[in-house]
Amino acid sequence: RKEVEQDPGPFNVPEGATVAFNCTYSNSASQSFFWYRQDCRKEPKLLMSVYSSGNEDGRFTAQLNRASQYISLLIRDSKLSDSATYLCVADTGFQKLVFGTGTRLLVSP
Amino acid sequence: DVKVTQSSRYLVKRTGEKVFLECVQDMDHENMFWYRQDPGLGLRLIYFSYDVKMKEKGDIPEGYSVSREKKERFSLILESASTNQTSMYLCASSFVIGPGQGSSTDTQYFGPGTRLTVL
Repeated sequence: RKEVEQDPGPFNVPEGATVAFNCTYSNSASQSFFWYRQDCRKEPKLLMSVYSSGNEDGRFTAQLNRASQYISLLIRDSKLSDSATYLCVADTGFQKLVFGTGTRLLVSP
Repeated sequence: DVKVTQSSRYLVKRTGEKVFLECVQDMDHENMFWYRQDPGLGLRLIYFSYDVKMKEKGDIPEGYSVSREKKERFSLILESASTNQTSMYLCASSFVIGPGQGSSTDTQYFGPGTRLTVL
């Protein structure tokens, strides 16, 4: 079983839609979590950190459920520019991040 | 702005060649990382370094070595390139949060990647 698992998608949504991604992690010792965004043929970039109380940044909301060991990312009012692959990431400590394989989002006009 | 640069965007090498991939960061980060990214497998950690001349194996170190002689520079070496090392190689760097080896990392900043093809 992979340490961090994501649905690869693609999720096809129209502009303005709300879309949610879930991610599960297996290492209960993981302390911190992140969502990174990766555009086609580009490097990953941090989208947001995930705090235990939930974290909101504009149209993006991330939540953590430690009991069930999953992290979610909610995108409201989707834009064409949101089309990308979203990587779920767990910090297992010892300066190592474990990346999921990513969920691909396609937003259409 | 944090800048992480990699020596090449595209590289084509032959089987058996020794390959050097270089990464430089300008933010005085303690941590530096080398990943490879393959379709369906995501990013996998090859090696990382938390200080000059220090290195730790990641999840897939076989066939690779690294060098960190200066804080800003982290090199990945393929001693004898093989076709299964054809991949996208991404370098990253970050600060450390808290002291010691067991600390969590701060945000990792990635370089643009090197697409390596081994023929």
